[in-house]
Amino acid sequence: AQSVTQLDSQVPVFEEAPVELRCNYSSSVSVYLFWYVQYPNQGLQLLLKYLSGSTLVKGINGFEAEFNKSQTSFHLRKPSVHISDTAEYFCAVSDRDTDKLIFGTGTRLQVFP
Amino acid sequence: DTAVSQTPKYLVTQMGNDKSIKCEQNLGHDTMYWYKQDSKKFLKIMFSYNNKELIINETVPNRFSPKSPDKAHLNLHINSLELGDSAVYFCASSLLRTLYTFGSGTRLTVV
Repeated sequence: AQSVTQLDSQVPVFEEAPVELRCNYSSSVSVYLFWYVQYPNQGLQLLLKYLSGSTLVKGINGFEAEFNKSQTSFHLRKPSVHISDTAEYFCAVSDRDTDKLIFGTGTRLQVFP
Repeated sequence: DTAVSQTPKYLVTQMGNDKSIKCEQNLGHDTMYWYKQDSKKFLKIMFSYNNKELIINETVPNRFSPKSPDKAHLNLHINSLELGDSAVYFCASSLLRTLYTFGSGTRLTVV
């Protein structure tokens, strides 16, 4: 069965610093990969997704992620964070053979001034 | 023009009551889901329906019963509510497993 690991439960960072949120998935079959952001007391908003093609995916709000098949990773990066990026970030994987989205446990990004 | 809308947004009820949460999508997606987010923010799938047919039932207690009158609607009925049912419930829809859209959530509090 698919699983997603987000190693860091919390990532504190100062404003304008770069950040990387790590995500690893377990599967040897073809997968679709997603990053979602959840602001306090709100729903889930799609940041970006990898379906196929270029391994570097660009998303909204200046975020990007790189699909690495050999390391089964899909880490999220932003070169310079803002206070408004403070939120919970979820990595998710969709198996092409089953119709469900499996989420990681989330990473709380806290941006300090 | 909300894509996936669920009602109510907040629901406070006593233990033992029965309640329903409604969900509608206007995206023309073929599959709909219910997810539960617990107090630790963990998101877990509960059910999925494809064109009114139940596809996934992730060992959810029988007190939870989804109903899909048509492919644009997926409602969740919960009988005999328990304290542990307190959570945020998200409805979602997808197209071809590549585009998943979530509703804004229903915060259920059982007292």
